[in-house]
Amino acid sequence: QKEVEQDPGPLSVPEGAIVSLNCTYSNSAFQYFMWYRQYSRKGPELLMYTYSSGNKEDGRFTAQVDKSSKYISLFIRDSQPSDSATYLCAMSATNQGGKLIFGQGTELSVKP
Amino acid sequence: EAQVTQNPRYLITVTGKKLTVTCSQNMNHEYMSWYRQDPGLGLRQIYYSMNVEVTDKGDVPEGYKVSRKEKRNFPLILESPSPNQTSLYFCASSLLRGSSSYNEQFFGPGTRLTVL
Repeated sequence: QKEVEQDPGPLSVPEGAIVSLNCTYSNSAFQYFMWYRQYSRKGPELLMYTYSSGNKEDGRFTAQVDKSSKYISLFIRDSQPSDSATYLCAMSATNQGGKLIFGQGTELSVKP
Repeated sequence: EAQVTQNPRYLITVTGKKLTVTCSQNMNHEYMSWYRQDPGLGLRQIYYSMNVEVTDKGDVPEGYKVSRKEKRNFPLILESPSPNQTSLYFCASSLLRGSSSYNEQFFGPGTRLTVL
């Protein structure tokens, strides 16, 4: 069993839809939870990070962490074609920029 | 501009021909890492370095070497490439000190390697 599981999709939604992306994990030592966005032919870029459990909102994006269920989510409201990318969840046991464990990535396509 | 650069961006080579992929960062980051990205497997760490002359294996180190002689550079070396090393490779760097905030990893643009 992988430490981090993510549905690879692909996921296709119409513009304006609410998108839900999810990851589950098995290592209870994970404390930092990240979402990276990767556009085609580019490197991943940090979109959001959350420490421990709870919600974090940034514009149209909301990240949720439920440590009791070992489950994290990224919600995108009012999705736009520019949101079309691969979204990778990542987790770390420390805040020191060290080892990250990534999910497989979910490919999202938002159709106009 | 703060960035991580990789060269080459694309490389096609043959089995057994030694190659080096360079990685350089201009952010004075202590931590540097190499990942490979394969369909269905996500990003997997190959090697990482926490400072000059300090390197360690990640999850998939077989067939790879690295060195960290300078803080800014972290080359990835394939002494005898094989077809199963055909992949998309990313270099990343970050700060490495205690903080109340997460120390973000910055990724390079990627190197697509094909080994025939």
